[in-house]
Amino acid sequence: DIQMTQSPSSVSASVGDRVTITCRASQDLSSWLAWYQQKPGKAPKLLIYEASSLQSGVPSRFSGSGSGTDFTLTISSLQPEDFATYYCQQARSFPLSFGGGTRVEIK
Amino acid sequence: EVQLLESGGDLLQPGGSLRLSCAASGFTFSTYTMTWVRQAPGKGLEWVSSISDNGLYTFYADSVKGRFTISRDNSKNTLFLQMNSLRAEDTAVYYCAKRRGTATILDHWGQGTLVTVSS
Repeated sequence: DIQMTQSPSSVSASVGDRVTITCRASQDLSSWLAWYQQKPGKAPKLLIYEASSLQSGVPSRFSGSGSGTDFTLTISSLQPEDFATYYCQQARSFPLSFGGGTRVEIK
Repeated sequence: EVQLLESGGDLLQPGGSLRLSCAASGFTFSTYTMTWVRQAPGKGLEWVSSISDNGLYTFYADSVKGRFTISRDNSKNTLFLQMNSLRAEDTAVYYCAKRRGTATILDHWGQGTLVTVSS
């Protein structure tokens, strides 16, 4: 099974800050990685697929990079609506697995 | 517009059974793998099960294997999760989700349905 490790588990940031979240897989994923945003009481929302492709309708301040085992989600300029929890997910093989989540909080 | 609407969540005792449903619309349901993901209160996301477009292939997390059964009715655009021998640790919001394309990346999610297992 593929284990996904996200860091940090939480980050405090201000509006306008650049925020970077990392995700490490225990096996080579190639580019089969997704990033999701979840706000309290809501379903997750797909942000990035195949490591670096922006899902339709997602603002361009979100970007993803990486391949193999190390991946990064970057928010270039944090906006008030971006305060949420972010999850990575490997889509290379079953069982699917998610990272533990990164909570982005207001500083 | 893609819509996924879960139903069937309830409060029940350990050892009980429950069937969740997910009604899909806005896309050709019969051509997409579908997935259940759950989230325990205050916890992260946990993949539960997936089923291929034609229903021939099913996949389960070890935590639910042998207790849960995923199925689908393509004539009714509906996904199901039959949950038996429920445990307290199955308490969670259960989401159904649609696969995006060639890999099981989930591009649309339902709003979730709450299952609470407690004596």
